[in-house]
Amino acid sequence: GDSVTQMEGPVTLSEEAFLTINCTYTATGYPSLFWYVQYPGEGLQLLLKATKADDKGSNKGFEATYRKETTSFHLEKGSVQVSDSAVYFCALSDRGNQGGKLIFGQGTELSVKP
Amino acid sequence: EPEVTQTPSHQVTQMGQEVILRCVPISNHLYFYWYRQILGQKVEFLVSFYNNEISEKSEIFDDQFSVERPDGSNFTLKIRSTKLEDSAMYFCASSRLGQPNEKLFFGSGTQLSVL
Repeated sequence: GDSVTQMEGPVTLSEEAFLTINCTYTATGYPSLFWYVQYPGEGLQLLLKATKADDKGSNKGFEATYRKETTSFHLEKGSVQVSDSAVYFCALSDRGNQGGKLIFGQGTELSVKP
Repeated sequence: EPEVTQTPSHQVTQMGQEVILRCVPISNHLYFYWYRQILGQKVEFLVSFYNNEISEKSEIFDDQFSVERPDGSNFTLKIRSTKLEDSAMYFCASSRLGQPNEKLFFGSGTQLSVL
C-alpha cells in the first residue's frame, strides 16, 4: 500500500541555518503531496502542497519539489528562525481516492536555537 | 481562519472503560476524519465520514470504535472498551469537499491515556 517515510528527528539547528527534511513516498497511483506542521499545543496545519510531478510548493520561506523520478518531496528552508520550531509531517493523498484521506510519515521534530 | 475544536485536550481512563472524544468541525465542511498518533509512531488514518455515514475506515477501526454526528455541529469518536494500546493522541479533521488535493483542517488533538 501507499506509504511515506521521513528522516528521523529531532533535528536541532542554529538560527539562520539551512534546513532539509527528507521525505520519500511509495504510491501505486499519482498522489498529491503535502507538508503539514504542528506548532506546540496546536493542531496540524497545511504548510505547502504539490499536486503533480515537478510542481514546487512554497510558503513562509519553505519549499518542496515533487520529484517523481526519486519519489521524493524534501522540505527546505534557506534560513530557519526560532519560530520554525515545530513538528513537520510529510503526507500523501491518492488522487484516485475520493474522500481526501491522508497517509502521513512519522513526523520530524525541528528545534531552532537562537 | 476557522478552526476545528476538540475536547477534552487530555483524557485519562481505566482499561475497559468507554470513552467519547468530541470534535466540532468547521461549519460548512462536509467530510470529517479521525486520525491517531501513538507516541513515536506515524499519524494513522482511522475513519472518514460523509453524509452521515462512514466513507472509509482503516484496519485499526474495528468494532470497538464508532463515530457519530449526533447533531449539526459535533462529531464524536467512541471507543467502547479501551485497551492499553489505545493510548495515543487522537486528531479530528475536516475538509470542505473531500477532494484528494484539498487541505484538511485539524484540531489540536485529545491525548488519551489508558491505565
